Amino acid sequence: DAGVTQSPTHLIKTRGQQVTLRCSPKSGHDTVSWYQQALGQGPQFIFQYYEEEERQRGNFPDRFSGHQFPNYSSELNVNALLLGDSALYLCASSLGGQGARETQYFGPGTRLLVL
Amino acid sequence: AQSVTQPDIHITVSEGASLELRCNYSYGATPYLFWYVQSPGQGLQLLLKYFSGDTLVQGIKGFEAEFKRSQSSFNLRKPSVHWSDAAEYFCAVGPNFGNEKLTFGTGTRLTIIP
Repeated sequence: DAGVTQSPTHLIKTRGQQVTLRCSPKSGHDTVSWYQQALGQGPQFIFQYYEEEERQRGNFPDRFSGHQFPNYSSELNVNALLLGDSALYLCASSLGGQGARETQYFGPGTRLLVL
Repeated sequence: AQSVTQPDIHITVSEGASLELRCNYSYGATPYLFWYVQSPGQGLQLLLKYFSGDTLVQGIKGFEAEFKRSQSSFNLRKPSVHWSDAAEYFCAVGPNFGNEKLTFGTGTRLTIIP
């Protein structure tokens, strides 16, 4: 049973560019959450997708957008990249409808470097 | 708003010694509390979680945590650490209703010396 997978593992972009990160949830999970983890910090919640809709959003600008597909996989898009967007981006999957009671399983992350 | 404080940025312990990592939370009601571990280059792995009931929670890898409402704390403990426990540890809080948004602390880096 594959866990949460993310691609790519590493990415280098320049300021102003756009990036798309991908996540495949754990088998049987229908909810995907995205987190940004800056160096030396804890993960910060970006947003969550359930049934192809954004269900909740953290304090991130509209440059951060996402999508969830019918097979529950998800994409995170970041436009107009800034140096401060350099971070590890983590995807977590869970079974929706149970609130925080349901364990979130995290992928290995995508490390984004903006130059 | 919910928040988590992990006051220790870095802790060093000898292999075989006991360990306690501190976590304090802020939340208006009884929260859901979690401890995750992150090894270098890895994602987060859940060690244990508290929702309700017995305030002493057992987790994987020999870890346990105790919820103390009066102190708003959820400290992680292990009686005897192993070199493989060296990692970053994150405490997190989640709401006891609705969605699954987690709020994480800034983490504690654990170093094990022989």
